[in-house]
Amino acid sequence: NAGVTQTPKFQVLKTGQSMTLQCAQDMNHEYMSWYRQDPGMGLRLIHYSVGAGITDQGEVPNGYNVSRSTTEDFPLRLLSAAPSQTSVYFCASSKGTGARTEAFFGQGTRLTVV
Amino acid sequence: AQTVTQSQPEMSVQEAETVTLSCTYDTSESDYYLFWYKQPPSRQMILVIRQEAYKQQNATENRFSVNFQKAAKSFSLKISDSQLGDAAMYFCAYRLNAGGTSYGKLTFGQGTILTVHP
Repeated sequence: NAGVTQTPKFQVLKTGQSMTLQCAQDMNHEYMSWYRQDPGMGLRLIHYSVGAGITDQGEVPNGYNVSRSTTEDFPLRLLSAAPSQTSVYFCASSKGTGARTEAFFGQGTRLTVV
Repeated sequence: AQTVTQSQPEMSVQEAETVTLSCTYDTSESDYYLFWYKQPPSRQMILVIRQEAYKQQNATENRFSVNFQKAAKSFSLKISDSQLGDAAMYFCAYRLNAGGTSYGKLTFGQGTILTVHP
């Protein structure tokens, strides 16, 4: 069981470039989310989705786009990378109710924007 | 909005000793989950323990236990018989249990780096 798979693990971008971070889960979870982790700030929610075709903004959505065309996939797009987007990004999935309602995380992507 | 605060940026413990990590949160809701996640140097986020707000009994998972004080909005993690493999960043997290969009949103504390000395 692969769980949550994030790619790539590392990426260096130049300012102004765009890219997509991929996230896929095989647990049939309804809920998927993207977080960024910065020193001293914990993880902050960028965007989340409650099911295919439904997305919404989190705490720090500016500069990022998401879409969810299938239950399994939830890519995060950086439209025009800025140095302030240098961070570690995590994708997570979860189900709402019942047992094991915790979020399952991918291994993270360390992104550096120069 | 809910907030989660971890006031200890760093903690250290001797191997085989006990350490307690603190977490406080602010919410006006009554139905929610609290979690402790461990992040070792590999960066992987690993669930340590979970507590449902409506359960008065404190959760326990082997050497890990919590002290959940709902009225005080406190959720501390106790690690007994500390091992070298416990060294990691620990995050406290809150999730509202109100259905709909609440299920997809976690609020995290700032994290506590735990060092275990041999």
